[in-house]
Amino acid sequence: ETGVTQTPRHLVMGMTNKKSLKCEQHLGHNAMYWYKQSAKKPLELMFVYNFKEQTENNSVPSRFSPECPNSSHLFLHLHTLQPEDSALYLCASSQERYTEAFFGQGTRLTVV
Amino acid sequence: QKEVEQNSGPLSVPEGAIASLNCTYSDRGSQSFFWYRQYSGKSPELIMFIYSNGDKEDGRFTAQLNKASQYVSLLIRDSQPSDSATYLCAVNEAAGNKLTFGGGTRVLVKP
Repeated sequence: ETGVTQTPRHLVMGMTNKKSLKCEQHLGHNAMYWYKQSAKKPLELMFVYNFKEQTENNSVPSRFSPECPNSSHLFLHLHTLQPEDSALYLCASSQERYTEAFFGQGTRLTVV
Repeated sequence: QKEVEQNSGPLSVPEGAIASLNCTYSDRGSQSFFWYRQYSGKSPELIMFIYSNGDKEDGRFTAQLNKASQYVSLLIRDSQPSDSATYLCAVNEAAGNKLTFGGGTRVLVKP
């Protein structure tokens, strides 16, 4: 079992759909992150949770809504997305905030 | 705007040679530096981290940090075709305590 697990691996959704991405870490880490990776662009930090509390929201549109029920689980709720939101969404965790982070396999999201 | 800059490449390296990757950063107060490897279609994988000036070696990889000049580099010795990937530099910016990634350098190791 990998340290950080993301589901689903692939997701195609229409602009009016609501879906959720799930991330689970088995490393006992205290910080979790959502990143967005678009083609030809650097990794973009979206949200940071430290001990279940959101500590950063990097000016992310409200159509992306994170949820962290406990230190091991992180969700990203999606609604009314746009085609430009199509990207690889990566979850990561680290022992402390911004120490070495370990990534999940990512969810490849396509918005049609 | 804090920045982390990398040459996008591709950096073409013959098999068995040394691949040298560079990364510069703008925040002089940065404390932690990371190198990730990302194969096409896969997620980034941590391969090295360095906190102090100087060299840090791990197998065929050597990370070099020079805080005065604000650069961090990665050397891959005895490059193998399996090293072909994009290498991402990440810097923990002290001021905002934020981990910022560079755009990555694509490395191609040719047999």
